[in-house]
Amino acid sequence: AQSVTQLDSQVPVFEEAPVELRCNYSSSVSVYLFWYVQYPNQGLQLLLKYLSGSTLVKGINGFEAEFNKSQTSFHLRKPSVHISDTAEYFCAVQADRGSTLGRLYFGRGTQLTVWP
Amino acid sequence: EAQVTQNPRYLITVTGKKLTVTCSQNMNHEYMSWYRQDPGLGLRQIYYSMNVEVTDKGDVPEGYKVSRKEKRNFPLILESPSPNQTSLYFCASRVQGLASYEQYFGPGTRLTVT
Repeated sequence: AQSVTQLDSQVPVFEEAPVELRCNYSSSVSVYLFWYVQYPNQGLQLLLKYLSGSTLVKGINGFEAEFNKSQTSFHLRKPSVHISDTAEYFCAVQADRGSTLGRLYFGRGTQLTVWP
Repeated sequence: EAQVTQNPRYLITVTGKKLTVTCSQNMNHEYMSWYRQDPGLGLRQIYYSMNVEVTDKGDVPEGYKVSRKEKRNFPLILESPSPNQTSLYFCASRVQGLASYEQYFGPGTRLTVT
């Protein structure tokens, strides 16, 4: 099976500062990688996904993530955050083959809080 | 509008009283699943279904049942709820086949069992 580790449970930053949310994964097969965002009292929304090709993936709201196969990481970044980015962020992994094909495995989440 | 709907959105119940949380999608997706979200634990899969009449356990299936009699619906049944099932529940769906298809999530059902 796959597993995901989000290295920080909480990340506080000031508005307009850059931010990086860290995600590492473990898998014996190739994977697809996703970042989801959950705004307060809302469901999950897909931010971005890595399927193949360029290791730098751009998503919505100015976020981007870089897939690093050798380090099994998929860190999420934004060069300048806004207060509206305050939310919980989930990294998720999905195998591209095998018995767990199609199943999403989530990390425990990182709460990003942006202060004025 | 393409969407996954869940009902009810909020539910407070007592231990042992059977309940059903409904999930419906209008995208003709074959794959549907249920997750529970608990603070500090992220989302964990309860059950999933790859098509009508095909269901299988996820990582935390104890205390839950599901059925898939129609393609669009995937209800979650708690036959005897207990306080440790107090959680936020999400239904999701996607196209079956290629793993690259993203999952679409419902708005969530917040369940409290007293």
